[in-house]
Amino acid sequence: AQKITQTQPGMFVQEKEAVTLDCTYDTSDQSYGLFWYKQPSSGEMIFLIYQGSYDEQNATEGRYSLNFQKARKSANLVISASQLGDSAMYFCAMRLLTSGTYKYIFGTGTRLKVLA
Amino acid sequence: DTGVSQDPRHKITKRGQNVTFRCDPISEHNRLYWYRQTLGQGPEFLTYFQNEAQLEKSRLLSDRFSAERPKGSFSTLEIQRTEQGDSAMYLCASSPQGDDQPQHFGDGTRLSIL
Repeated sequence: AQKITQTQPGMFVQEKEAVTLDCTYDTSDQSYGLFWYKQPSSGEMIFLIYQGSYDEQNATEGRYSLNFQKARKSANLVISASQLGDSAMYFCAMRLLTSGTYKYIFGTGTRLKVLA
Repeated sequence: DTGVSQDPRHKITKRGQNVTFRCDPISEHNRLYWYRQTLGQGPEFLTYFQNEAQLEKSRLLSDRFSAERPKGSFSTLEIQRTEQGDSAMYLCASSPQGDDQPQHFGDGTRLSIL
Protein backbone atom coordinates (compact mmCIF):
# COMPACT_ATOMS: atom_id res chain seq x y z
CA ALA A 1 0.00 0.00 0.00
CA GLN A 2 1.19 3.51 -0.75
CA LYS A 3 1.04 5.47 2.43
CA ILE A 4 2.56 8.28 4.49
CA THR A 5 2.67 7.87 8.27
CA GLN A 6 3.20 10.70 10.72
CA THR A 7 3.10 9.20 14.20
CA GLN A 8 3.33 12.40 16.22
CA PRO A 9 -0.04 14.14 16.39
CA GLY A 10 1.47 16.97 18.46
CA MET A 11 4.91 18.21 19.45
CA PHE A 12 6.22 20.95 21.73
CA VAL A 13 9.61 22.63 21.40
CA GLN A 14 11.26 25.46 23.25
CA GLU A 15 12.05 28.55 21.20
CA LYS A 16 15.55 28.45 19.67
CA GLU A 17 15.85 24.68 20.05
CA ALA A 18 15.81 22.13 17.23
CA VAL A 19 12.93 19.73 16.63
CA THR A 20 12.48 16.63 14.47
CA LEU A 21 9.14 15.73 12.93
CA ASP A 22 8.86 12.10 11.88
CA CYS A 23 7.63 10.81 8.55
CA THR A 24 7.73 7.26 7.20
CA TYR A 25 6.48 6.23 3.80
CA ASP A 26 5.52 3.07 2.02
CA THR A 27 5.82 2.53 -1.71
CA SER A 28 7.28 -0.08 -4.02
CA ASP A 29 8.05 2.56 -6.66
CA GLN A 30 11.71 3.31 -7.29
CA SER A 31 11.10 6.89 -8.31
CA TYR A 32 9.22 9.17 -5.96
CA GLY A 33 9.49 12.55 -4.28
CA LEU A 34 8.99 13.61 -0.70
CA PHE A 35 7.74 17.03 0.32
CA TRP A 36 7.10 18.83 3.57
CA TYR A 37 4.45 21.53 3.88
CA LYS A 38 3.54 23.87 6.70
CA GLN A 39 -0.07 24.88 7.35
CA PRO A 40 -0.49 27.75 9.83
CA SER A 41 -3.81 28.37 11.51
CA SER A 42 -4.68 30.74 8.67
CA GLY A 43 -4.97 27.67 6.45
CA GLU A 44 -2.60 28.15 3.51
CA MET A 45 -0.23 25.30 2.68
CA ILE A 46 3.36 26.49 2.41
CA PHE A 47 6.04 24.41 0.71
CA LEU A 48 9.15 23.88 2.85
CA ILE A 49 11.49 21.30 1.35
CA TYR A 50 11.79 18.54 -1.26
CA GLN A 51 13.78 15.30 -1.48
CA GLY A 52 13.91 13.11 -4.56
CA SER A 53 14.29 9.36 -4.16
CA TYR A 54 17.52 9.39 -6.15
CA ASP A 55 19.04 12.34 -4.32
CA GLU A 56 22.04 11.15 -2.35
CA GLN A 57 22.41 14.25 -0.24
CA ASN A 58 19.88 15.32 2.35
CA ALA A 59 17.95 18.40 1.28
CA THR A 60 18.39 21.65 3.18
CA GLU A 61 16.51 24.95 2.93
CA GLY A 62 17.56 27.55 5.46
CA ARG A 63 16.51 26.31 8.91
CA TYR A 64 14.84 23.23 7.42
CA SER A 65 16.64 20.01 6.63
CA LEU A 66 15.30 16.63 5.60
CA ASN A 67 16.86 13.54 7.17
CA PHE A 68 16.34 11.03 4.36
CA GLN A 69 16.98 7.38 5.20
CA LYS A 70 15.93 5.45 2.13
CA ALA A 71 16.47 1.95 3.51
CA ARG A 72 14.28 2.76 6.50
CA LYS A 73 11.80 4.65 4.30
CA SER A 74 11.88 7.69 6.51
CA ALA A 75 12.03 11.39 5.65
CA ASN A 76 12.10 13.31 8.88
CA LEU A 77 11.98 17.12 8.93
CA VAL A 78 14.44 18.89 11.18
CA ILE A 79 13.76 22.50 12.11
CA SER A 80 16.71 24.23 13.71
CA ALA A 81 16.53 27.29 15.97
CA SER A 82 12.74 27.14 16.32
CA GLN A 83 10.81 30.39 16.20
CA LEU A 84 7.35 31.23 17.53
CA GLY A 85 6.18 31.59 13.95
CA ASP A 86 6.98 27.92 13.34
CA SER A 87 3.89 26.93 15.33
CA ALA A 88 1.68 25.22 12.75
CA MET A 89 0.58 21.90 11.29
CA TYR A 90 3.27 20.13 9.30
CA PHE A 91 2.45 17.64 6.56
CA CYS A 92 4.71 15.13 4.88
CA ALA A 93 3.70 14.19 1.33
CA MET A 94 4.85 11.68 -1.26
CA ARG A 95 4.69 12.23 -5.02
CA LEU A 96 4.29 9.12 -7.14
CA LEU A 97 4.33 8.77 -10.90
CA THR A 98 1.99 6.02 -12.02
CA SER A 99 1.16 5.32 -15.66
CA GLY A 100 2.44 8.73 -16.65
CA THR A 101 0.33 10.66 -14.14
CA TYR A 102 1.20 12.22 -10.84
CA LYS A 103 -0.42 11.42 -7.54
CA TYR A 104 0.28 12.94 -4.15
CA ILE A 105 -0.34 11.29 -0.82
CA PHE A 106 -0.31 13.32 2.39
CA GLY A 107 0.13 12.20 5.97
CA THR A 108 -2.21 13.18 8.79
CA GLY A 109 0.13 15.89 10.00
CA THR A 110 1.95 16.92 13.18
CA ARG A 111 0.90 19.99 15.11
CA LEU A 112 3.98 21.83 16.36
CA LYS A 113 3.80 24.35 19.18
CA VAL A 114 6.85 26.51 19.88
CA LEU A 115 7.06 27.71 23.45
CA ALA A 116 8.52 31.09 24.43
CA ASP B 1 3.53 35.66 -9.16
CA THR B 2 -0.03 36.28 -8.01
CA GLY B 3 -0.44 32.86 -6.44
CA VAL B 4 -3.26 30.34 -6.73
CA SER B 5 -6.66 31.94 -6.31
CA GLN B 6 -9.82 30.15 -5.21
CA ASP B 7 -13.36 31.41 -5.19
CA PRO B 8 -15.44 31.54 -3.09
CA ARG B 9 -13.58 31.37 0.24
CA HIS B 10 -16.64 30.07 2.01
CA LYS B 11 -19.81 28.41 0.77
CA ILE B 12 -22.78 27.52 2.91
CA THR B 13 -25.54 25.56 1.25
CA LYS B 14 -28.41 23.26 2.01
CA ARG B 15 -28.16 19.53 1.54
CA GLY B 16 -29.14 18.51 -1.95
CA GLN B 17 -28.03 21.72 -3.65
CA ASN B 18 -25.33 21.91 -6.31
CA VAL B 19 -22.17 23.95 -5.74
CA THR B 20 -19.33 25.00 -8.00
CA PHE B 21 -15.88 26.19 -6.99
CA ARG B 22 -13.33 27.95 -9.14
CA CYS B 23 -9.54 27.77 -9.09
CA ASP B 24 -7.18 30.08 -10.96
CA PRO B 25 -3.68 28.56 -10.94
CA ILE B 26 -0.39 30.39 -11.32
CA SER B 27 -0.40 31.35 -14.98
CA GLU B 28 2.64 29.42 -16.16
CA HIS B 29 1.73 26.23 -14.28
CA ASN B 30 0.37 23.47 -16.51
CA ARG B 31 -0.49 21.07 -13.68
CA LEU B 32 -3.52 21.56 -11.48
CA TYR B 33 -4.77 19.48 -8.55
CA TRP B 34 -7.86 19.38 -6.37
CA TYR B 35 -7.83 18.11 -2.80
CA ARG B 36 -10.30 17.77 0.02
CA GLN B 37 -9.23 18.38 3.61
CA THR B 38 -11.33 17.64 6.68
CA LEU B 39 -10.54 18.84 10.18
CA GLY B 40 -7.43 17.27 11.65
CA GLN B 41 -6.53 15.42 8.46
CA GLY B 42 -4.11 15.90 5.63
CA PRO B 43 -5.30 16.81 2.14
CA GLU B 44 -6.86 13.94 0.21
CA PHE B 45 -6.16 13.87 -3.51
CA LEU B 46 -9.25 14.22 -5.71
CA THR B 47 -8.10 14.87 -9.26
CA TYR B 48 -5.22 16.08 -11.43
CA PHE B 49 -5.06 17.98 -14.72
CA GLN B 50 -2.16 18.45 -17.06
CA ASN B 51 -3.18 21.36 -19.23
CA GLU B 52 -6.82 20.65 -20.11
CA ALA B 53 -6.57 16.87 -19.77
CA GLN B 54 -7.87 15.24 -16.60
CA LEU B 55 -5.28 12.50 -16.11
CA GLU B 56 -6.10 11.10 -12.70
CA LYS B 57 -9.25 10.85 -10.66
CA SER B 58 -9.47 9.45 -7.14
CA ARG B 59 -12.01 6.84 -6.16
CA LEU B 60 -13.03 9.40 -3.56
CA LEU B 61 -14.53 11.39 -6.41
CA SER B 62 -18.01 9.92 -6.69
CA ASP B 63 -20.20 10.52 -9.72
CA ARG B 64 -21.63 13.57 -7.92
CA PHE B 65 -18.26 15.29 -8.36
CA SER B 66 -16.98 16.64 -11.64
CA ALA B 67 -14.00 18.81 -12.48
CA GLU B 68 -13.08 20.64 -15.64
CA ARG B 69 -10.23 22.72 -16.95
CA PRO B 70 -11.60 23.69 -20.34
CA LYS B 71 -8.76 25.81 -21.74
CA GLY B 72 -5.95 24.59 -19.57
CA SER B 73 -6.14 27.68 -17.38
CA PHE B 74 -8.74 27.96 -14.61
CA SER B 75 -10.56 24.92 -13.26
CA THR B 76 -13.97 24.30 -11.73
CA LEU B 77 -15.05 21.62 -9.29
CA GLU B 78 -18.77 20.92 -9.12
CA ILE B 79 -20.55 18.88 -6.48
CA GLN B 80 -24.10 17.86 -7.30
CA ARG B 81 -26.76 16.91 -4.73
CA THR B 82 -24.52 17.83 -1.82
CA GLU B 83 -24.50 15.65 1.29
CA GLN B 84 -23.47 16.34 4.89
CA GLY B 85 -20.28 14.39 4.34
CA ASP B 86 -19.18 16.83 1.65
CA SER B 87 -18.49 19.47 4.29
CA ALA B 88 -14.74 20.12 4.07
CA MET B 89 -12.09 22.48 2.83
CA TYR B 90 -11.49 22.09 -0.90
CA LEU B 91 -7.95 22.97 -1.88
CA CYS B 92 -6.57 23.69 -5.31
CA ALA B 93 -2.87 23.53 -6.12
CA SER B 94 -0.79 24.08 -9.23
CA SER B 95 2.75 23.30 -10.26
CA PRO B 96 4.99 23.70 -13.28
CA GLN B 97 6.53 20.83 -15.23
CA GLY B 98 9.25 18.94 -13.35
CA ASP B 99 9.39 16.13 -10.80
CA ASP B 100 10.98 18.30 -8.13
CA GLN B 101 8.55 21.19 -8.48
CA PRO B 102 6.38 21.75 -5.40
CA GLN B 103 2.69 22.38 -5.54
CA HIS B 104 1.53 25.89 -4.76
CA PHE B 105 -1.75 25.88 -2.88
CA GLY B 106 -4.61 28.32 -2.83
CA ASP B 107 -6.33 29.35 0.39
CA GLY B 108 -9.14 26.88 -0.22
CA THR B 109 -12.92 26.97 -0.31
CA ARG B 110 -14.62 25.94 2.91
CA LEU B 111 -17.90 24.17 2.20
CA SER B 112 -20.52 23.84 4.92
CA ILE B 113 -23.63 21.77 4.30
CA LEU B 114 -26.65 22.63 6.44
